[in-house]
Amino acid sequence: AQTVTQSQPEMSVQEAETVTLSCTYDTSESNYYLFWYKQPPSRQMILVIRQEAYKQQNATENRFSVNFQKAAKSFSLKISDSQLGDTAMYFCALLEAGNNRKLIWGLGTSLAVNP
Amino acid sequence: EAQVTQNPRYLITVTGKKLTVTCSQNMNHEYMSWYRQDPGLGLRQIYYSMNVEVTDKGDVPEGYKVSRKEKRNFPLILESPSPNQTSLYFCASWGVAGNTDTQYFGPGTRLTVL
Repeated sequence: AQTVTQSQPEMSVQEAETVTLSCTYDTSESNYYLFWYKQPPSRQMILVIRQEAYKQQNATENRFSVNFQKAAKSFSLKISDSQLGDTAMYFCALLEAGNNRKLIWGLGTSLAVNP
Repeated sequence: EAQVTQNPRYLITVTGKKLTVTCSQNMNHEYMSWYRQDPGLGLRQIYYSMNVEVTDKGDVPEGYKVSRKEKRNFPLILESPSPNQTSLYFCASWGVAGNTDTQYFGPGTRLTVL
C-alpha cells in the first residue's frame, strides 16, 4: 500500500535561515507525482511544489526546492531565506497515476519561522 | 480567476439535521474529490468523481453522499450528521488535460455537529 511519512512533527527556524523538511514514501508504481502543500493558519491548502517521478531534475520554485531521491524514496523540501509568512503546516503528498488519482498524505510538519 | 469555491465556510449544526456543503469549480475539471482533515489523521478522501454522473467511494464514505449532475458542481450531503463528522472539509478538483496531476483545493468548510 502507498504510504507517506513525515518524521518531523514540528520544526522551527530563524528568519532568513534555511530549513529542510523530510518526507519518505512507499509505492510500487513507476509513474507517480509528489507534492508539497502548505497550510497556513487560514487553513487554505496551497501547492508549494510538485515533482514528476520520471524527471531526474529536482523541482525549484523561487525559495523552495526539493531533493528527490527516487531510489531511496525520499522527497525533502528545502526552504531558503525563510520568511515569517512561511509559518505553516507543510504536507507531503503522493499521487499515483490511475483512475482515482487519489492523493496520499503525510501527517504534516508544523514549521515556525521565528523573528 | 481559476478557483474552487465551497459554501458555507463555517457551519454549526445539531445531530440529525440534514445539511449540504456545496463545491464548485470554474476550470472545467473532470475530477473532483472531497476530503476531511482531522488532527493527527491528516487528510482522508471521502468520495471522488471522475466526471458527470460518475462517483466512487474514497477511504471514509460512511455517513456521506455526493452527486455530480453538472461538471462544475460536486455537493457533499450529510443526511443525518453525527458529532464524529465534526471536521474540516476540503473540496478539490483536477483535470485530464494539461497539468492533470495537480489538485486545486477550495478554502475549506469547518463543520461542527453538536
